[in-house]
Amino acid sequence: GNSVTQMEGPVTLSEEAFLTINCTYTATGYPSLFWYVQYPGEGLQLLLKATKADDKGSNKGFEATYRKETTSFHLEKGSVQVSDSAVYFCALSSWQGAQKLVFGQGTRLTINP
Amino acid sequence: DTGVSQDPRHKITKRGQNVTFRCDPISEHNRLYWYRQTLGQGPEFLTYFQNEAQLEKSRLLSDRFSAERPKGSFSTLEIQRTEQGDSAMYLCASSLRTGGSTYEQYFGPGTRLTVT
Repeated sequence: GNSVTQMEGPVTLSEEAFLTINCTYTATGYPSLFWYVQYPGEGLQLLLKATKADDKGSNKGFEATYRKETTSFHLEKGSVQVSDSAVYFCALSSWQGAQKLVFGQGTRLTINP
Repeated sequence: DTGVSQDPRHKITKRGQNVTFRCDPISEHNRLYWYRQTLGQGPEFLTYFQNEAQLEKSRLLSDRFSAERPKGSFSTLEIQRTEQGDSAMYLCASSLRTGGSTYEQYFGPGTRLTVT
């Protein structure tokens, strides 16, 4: 079945550091890929998405590229801020049927000033 | 529109009691999903509705769980004879499926269930 594996956390960085959170997936067909973020005390929010190979999703300075050859969708940001502290989830959905989301286990990110 | 809402936000119950949660999706969304999230894990799919029809259920959804979406609007998730293992955050999400395309799922704040 479909699955997502994320880099284990927690991850602690200093403000303005470069961020990478690794995500790889296993899926049949051509899934869509997502990064969701959960800020403290809030619900899940979509951060960015990519629906086909080589697509790059971007939002709020975060980027991720859909790499079919390596089945990866790594999240990057060039200069993190304290306000980026949250839990980040990589997820996929198939393009047909229920299109339910399959999530990774999440990576807790803490940015220190 | 204020987004997906869930009620209650927190529920504490004793083992063996029944509980019911409600989800109000974004008004024009025809798809509604339930997920369960345990501490330190990502959400796991439970079930989904297209309009009022429940089209898929996960094997996680034992026969103690039942979900409804009357008239294709709000949805309820009931857990009968709760067990301590049911303690989790229950998340609802909605999306719009139209013309062969599906748009992103929007999540509610969740209902945190604690079974004592």
